[in-house]
Amino acid sequence: KNEVEQSPQNLTAQEGEFITINCSYSVGISALHWLQQHPGGGIVSLFMLSSGKKKHGRLIATINIQEKHSSLHITASHPRDSAVYICAVGRYTGNQFYFGTGTSLTVIP
Amino acid sequence: KAGVTQTPRYLIKTRGQQVTLSCSPISGHRSVSWYQQTPGQGLQFLFEYFSETQRNKGNFPGRFSGRQFSNSRSEMNVSTLELGDSALYLCASSLSRVSSTGELFFGEGSRLTVL
Repeated sequence: KNEVEQSPQNLTAQEGEFITINCSYSVGISALHWLQQHPGGGIVSLFMLSSGKKKHGRLIATINIQEKHSSLHITASHPRDSAVYICAVGRYTGNQFYFGTGTSLTVIP
Repeated sequence: KAGVTQTPRYLIKTRGQQVTLSCSPISGHRSVSWYQQTPGQGLQFLFEYFSETQRNKGNFPGRFSGRQFSNSRSEMNVSTLELGDSALYLCASSLSRVSSTGELFFGEGSRLTVL
């Protein structure tokens, strides 16, 4: 069983649509990270959350510690948002770091 | 402020050889962590170095090793290369431990092909 589960695996949206990507985890965590990876490999950290909600421009990330669940929302999606979005969690216990399998997002003009 | 620099960006090796990859973190960052990304397994945590000490390690064989120098630069080494070691190897630097609440900054990666 994977420690981190993401859904959906693939997502196609029309430009302007509201998008939600979900992440569930099964272990106690110190922090949850949302990462973005464009074709070519480079990874950018979008958010780091340990509680509550954060917003950067059109991106919003929330986390519910009790339910062990996080969501990444993209409002008014744009073709440049097309990328793979990856959820990752860090644990104090064992000092480990786990990744979800990623969500491949394509935004069509 | 310079980002995380990984070298080389691309390399091709043959089975049985060994390879060394380098990662220079953002100035002032003491944590360097390494990750392997393959199409089949996705991203996996290899190990983390903090203040020149390996702090934790993922589920990889002993052929995978690393070290960190006093200036926080890190190297990882893979010995006796296998075809399955073909992957994108990424490093990330952070002010604090990866298991803590430090933000991660990733390099562009080193793409290794084993023939």
